[in-house]
Amino acid sequence: DAMVIQNPRYQVTQFGKPVTLSCSQTLNHNVMYWYQQKSSQAPKLLFHYYDKDFNNEADTPDNFQSRRPNTSFCFLDIRSPGLGDAAMYLCATSRDPGRVGNQPQHFGDGTRLSIL
Amino acid sequence: SQQGEEDPQALSIQEGENATMNCSYKTSINNLQWYRQNSGRGLVHLILIRSNEREKHSGRLRVTLDTSKKSSSLLITASRAADTASYFCAMNTGFQKLVFGTGTRLLVSP
Repeated sequence: DAMVIQNPRYQVTQFGKPVTLSCSQTLNHNVMYWYQQKSSQAPKLLFHYYDKDFNNEADTPDNFQSRRPNTSFCFLDIRSPGLGDAAMYLCATSRDPGRVGNQPQHFGDGTRLSIL
Repeated sequence: SQQGEEDPQALSIQEGENATMNCSYKTSINNLQWYRQNSGRGLVHLILIRSNEREKHSGRLRVTLDTSKKSSSLLITASRAADTASYFCAMNTGFQKLVFGTGTRLLVSP
């Protein structure tokens, strides 16, 4: 089945130690998104790629970076994780939604990041 | 903030009952989407309603949209224990981005 896969499901890192989360998709969608979701809160968009075009949200900390080497893969890099970065990180994809955005997003099951 | 507010925050019902969740938002939208999230999992798209639509059905789901009141509702009829999850509305104001509401946690007891 076509899907969005996130690895690992659970990631533990130390305070200040860089960590990379990965996302792959078999849907061949040209838009990929990274969301941060803290406990009992709504997902918050960090950034998204439209093909290779990177779009950062204004309030996304500089500590968060992303790479998309090809259509299928996207990575989230946290350069120096702090305790406040502990959260679920969700990757999503969509077809080209065009100007009006009438396309659903397809989510992976997320990576839960813990900071020691 | 463009974030939507959902009401109630939590809802507990018995199997077979109907569940209604409401979403209010602040800005003009192109469409509004509803998603379900089971505990510890990703979000699953349920239904998309465009700004020029007033009502949409999908199986046991019924969504309404009132753009004059900037509000939407999701009705789940004949609830099942498997419907237990968090439900989020998400507003699309253009292009690729969604802004999610605060969510409703639904518990359906057998």
